[in-house]
Parts: sequence; structure tokens; C-alpha cells
Amino acid sequence: DAGVTQSPTHLIKTRGQQVTLRCSPKSGHDTVSWYQQALGQGPQFIFQYYEEEERQRGNFPDRFSGHQFPNYSSELNVNALLLGDSALYLCASSPDRYYEQYFGPGTRLTVT
Amino acid sequence: TQLLEQSPQFLSIQEGENLTVYCNSSSVFSSLQWYRQEPGEGPVLLVTVVTGGEVKKLKRLTFQFGDARKDSSLHITAAQPGDTGLYLCAGGDRDTDKLIFGTGTRLQVFP
Repeated sequence: DAGVTQSPTHLIKTRGQQVTLRCSPKSGHDTVSWYQQALGQGPQFIFQYYEEEERQRGNFPDRFSGHQFPNYSSELNVNALLLGDSALYLCASSPDRYYEQYFGPGTRLTVT
Repeated sequence: TQLLEQSPQFLSIQEGENLTVYCNSSSVFSSLQWYRQEPGEGPVLLVTVVTGGEVKKLKRLTFQFGDARKDSSLHITAAQPGDTGLYLCAGGDRDTDKLIFGTGTRLQVFP
């Protein structure tokens, strides 16, 4: 049974560019959450998708947007990248909203 | 704004020692989860506690949820180098559907 997968593993972008990160949830999970983790800190909640809709959103600007597809996979889009967007972006899936989240390995985004 | 403060922030100990990590908040959570994260990987769920005063044991790890469901602790007995990692607590709020992560405790166990 495959766990949560994310792609790409690493990404380097330039300020002002746009980026799309992808996530496939664990089999049987229909809820996907995205987190941003800066070096040495705990993950910060970006938003959560359920039934292809954004259910909850953390304190992140509109430059951060997402999408969930009918097969429950999800994308995170970040526009107009800033240096401060450099972080590990984690996707987590769960069978019941936020309960017992299963995390993917993350995508390391570096903005130069 | 709900915040979860973890202490200590860093912990460096010798193999065989015992340690306790604390997770505190002024907010009440409906559940509390503990994760361990190793470099280059995502957090891995260790345990979920949902009842005030609940104690759960996972081999050498003992987790406790405070009676008021505002705090939790993780106690490791006879730490081993394999316990090295970033320990994260996370509080769940059924009203907001959000999982709030703590600031993290980085544990290093030396052989």
C-alpha cells in the first residue's frame, strides 16, 4: 500500500516565478492538507482540501492556492515567489479531516 | 491564535538517559498528536491522545494528555541513538478542522 507521495523532491526557482507541487494521498484517504515547514520549525498549516473544495485555510496570502482532483490527488500553486517562500512543503492525507495525518516526504523548494 | 509551545527546544543526551518533552498551550484541544521527523523526511505519527488525563505507552515512549487537554508530555526511557529526531506535538480542533503544530524539540542521543 503506497503511502503519501509528493513530486518533485527538490525544486529551485527564481523570485517572481510560479511553482506547482503535487501530492497523491494514501489509498483510502480523501482529505489532503498542505503545510509549509521552515528550517528548524514546526509545520505551518496552509490549507486543507476535501471533496475538491478548500475547507480551511491558514494564515497564508492568496499567492498560495490549491486544487484537489476527483481521484483525491492535490496540487499546491505558489505565484510571485519570494525568497521567504523557501521551505519544505509537506502534504498530508487523512481519512477524517485532520485526524491522524500521514505525511509525504515533502518537496524542498529553494527560491533564489 | 492557538499556539503550542514545546520545551526544551534542543536536547542532547547520552544513550541510556531518560528525558521528557513538554507541549503547552493556553487553548483546549480535542486531540493531541505526537510526531517524529527525521532529516529529509515528513513527520511520522507516533500517537494520538483524545481524553484528558489519558496515558499511552509505545515501547519506551510514554505520552500523557493533560487533564484540561491543554498540555501534553512525552517521556522516553533509556534513550537510544535511534530516537534522534525532531519531535512535534500537534493539537487538533474539531471546530476549525485545523491541526496546529508545536515549535518542535530536536533530540540528539549520543552512543
